[in-house]
Amino acid sequence: DGGITQSPKYLFRKEGQNVTLSCEQNLNHDAMYWYRQDPGQGLRLIYYSQIVNDFQKGDIAEGYSVSREKKESFPLTVTSAQKNPTAFYLCASSIQPGQGSEQYFGPGTRLTVT
Amino acid sequence: QQQVKQSPQSLIVQKGGISIINCAYENTAFDYFPWYQQFPGKGPALLIAIRPDVSEKKEGRFTISFNKSAKQFSLHIMDSQPGDSATYFCAAQKGGSARQLTFGSGTQLTVLP
Repeated sequence: DGGITQSPKYLFRKEGQNVTLSCEQNLNHDAMYWYRQDPGQGLRLIYYSQIVNDFQKGDIAEGYSVSREKKESFPLTVTSAQKNPTAFYLCASSIQPGQGSEQYFGPGTRLTVT
Repeated sequence: QQQVKQSPQSLIVQKGGISIINCAYENTAFDYFPWYQQFPGKGPALLIAIRPDVSEKKEGRFTISFNKSAKQFSLHIMDSQPGDSATYFCAAQKGGSARQLTFGSGTQLTVLP
């Protein structure tokens, strides 16, 4: 089956720890994205990557880091600098960032930091 | 700064009724307007999308109406069913190499049986 996988589904961490969220796609898509979803605020873009070894900051990149060493993988690290990390994190991909290029979303990872 | 404003925040409709969700945008650089449907604990999935050169697009029970001069677009769900109960997000995509999506805040739709 083709698609996007995110693991784990639920993640719990203590405050002050860095944590890495996994995102893998086997759709052969060039572009990948990370969004954060909070209740009543929709989805906000954290980082995106249009090609391997290249990525750009989105609207809320502070406290996050990413890497894109392989086309199919785009892991997100939530660092201890992120002031309010508890949220639902969604990874997405698209064939290429062209007009009307549909973004396909993974099932998400719910991160809870206490 | 919210570039795409969505209303209402929540909506309750009887089975068979029409559900209407509205969105407004400010940036005229937006050139693609998708709607996403999200069920609890799942990622959003594309429902229907429209480009600004078209005033209406219909796919089954789902219709997007687009008013370019007013910078508004809306989703109409005809003959709403309990299975349509989900959160709906409008979004807007702007030109340029990145093609980032800007999302509305979402509408939680409940269709009563």
